[in-house]
Amino acid sequence: KQEVTQIPAALSVPEGENLVLNCSFTDSAIYNLQWFRQDPGKGLTSLLLIQSSQREQTSGRLNASLDKSSGRSTLYIAASQPGDSATYLCAVRRSSDSWGKLQFGAGTQVVVTP
Amino acid sequence: EPEVTQTPSHQVTQMGQEVILRCVPISNHLYFYWYRQILGQKVEFLVSFYNNEISEKSEIFDDQFSVERPDGSNFTLKIRSTKLEDSAMYFCASSSGGSPLHFGNGTRLTVT
Repeated sequence: KQEVTQIPAALSVPEGENLVLNCSFTDSAIYNLQWFRQDPGKGLTSLLLIQSSQREQTSGRLNASLDKSSGRSTLYIAASQPGDSATYLCAVRRSSDSWGKLQFGAGTQVVVTP
Repeated sequence: EPEVTQTPSHQVTQMGQEVILRCVPISNHLYFYWYRQILGQKVEFLVSFYNNEISEKSEIFDDQFSVERPDGSNFTLKIRSTKLEDSAMYFCASSSGGSPLHFGNGTRLTVT
């Protein structure tokens, strides 16, 4: 059974600092891993999708790395801004599951203070 | 940018009543999903739907749940006889297959 864990559960940083969010998963037989952003009362916004064959993906200030063998992914957000305040979720798709069947972590709640 | 829309945003119902949650996926997407998030818990997969049939469902998705694509645009989740423990945020998502999932803003279901 796949367990997805995110540490820390909550994080508060001053504006301008870099954010480092961690995600770990117990079963390394994954097809891909996605990072999402969730704002209060809103849906999930996909940030980055990393295929199992990739080591990292970048989009603007966001960079996600994947180490499948050790069951870890890290999301880096450079030069944080107050608008980055949200909950960040990682989700994995196991190789044995259909596309779109994702298993989520509990998320890291981020607050960026001005 | 196209988006997934869900209605209503909040639904209150009494235990034992039937509810239908509605979703309009992105128009050129072919794969549709329902997820739910009980307050304070992880987002959980319920069901995936492709080519007018269920592709996969979780153990949560029992006989009380059903999904339908009644026309070319809507995708619905029906709960036949709601229980208190069905109270959650229900998210609809769609994808074109091989692409990231696009989620709607959710319907908050409160069962009293």
